[in-house]
Amino acid sequence: QQQVKQSPQSLIVQKGGISIINCAYENTAFDYFPWYQQFPGKGPALLIAIRPDVSEKKEGRFTISFNKSAKQFSLHIMDSQPGDSATYFCAARRANTGGFKTIFGAGTRLFVKA
Amino acid sequence: EPEVTQTPSHQVTQMGQEVILRCVPISNHLYFYWYRQILGQKVEFLVSFYNNEISEKSEIFDDQFSVERPDGSNFTLKIRSTKLEDSAMYFCASSGERTNSPLHFGNGTRLTVT
Repeated sequence: QQQVKQSPQSLIVQKGGISIINCAYENTAFDYFPWYQQFPGKGPALLIAIRPDVSEKKEGRFTISFNKSAKQFSLHIMDSQPGDSATYFCAARRANTGGFKTIFGAGTRLFVKA
Repeated sequence: EPEVTQTPSHQVTQMGQEVILRCVPISNHLYFYWYRQILGQKVEFLVSFYNNEISEKSEIFDDQFSVERPDGSNFTLKIRSTKLEDSAMYFCASSGERTNSPLHFGNGTRLTVT
């Protein structure tokens, strides 16, 4: 119930290609779905996020697609660049009495070949 | 842009010793968190803290762990009697009060238990 399942574990994409990372969840109490990008030696940083009442959100080359009935969401990176090479985590958050709890997927290591 | 700062960046300790990891969250944030990441793997929730008390903790956060906000700016994680399996990156995060307020992470403390 608390898990967020993420795939693939790793991804290699040619420069200019589309990177797609998929996630699925079970708990309908989740109300906010962020994606985080992490570079080596750094903490995760928010990339883009969506709420479940929206089916798609686009920010620049990054798009989240959200399917509430299937409890699935995905990140699309258009025109992938070598600088996008990083680990990407999907996450899901639910409120609790004293704040919020964010659960992370297992992560996807993206490598964009020049 | 305000950021979460963590010290030290790397801590080496012997098994059985106590360590204190320090964090300065973003100043106007109200919710504070500790996460753990073992060897670039999944980012695991440890604890959330609000209004000077723990609001939620995971099964990882047993009696060996404690958190404290000793003053208006610092947020600490204490690990008593460290074990080899405590070796990991420990990330502090904070978030604001708005429903869509994301987690802001520090760059972590790498804890090595020998």
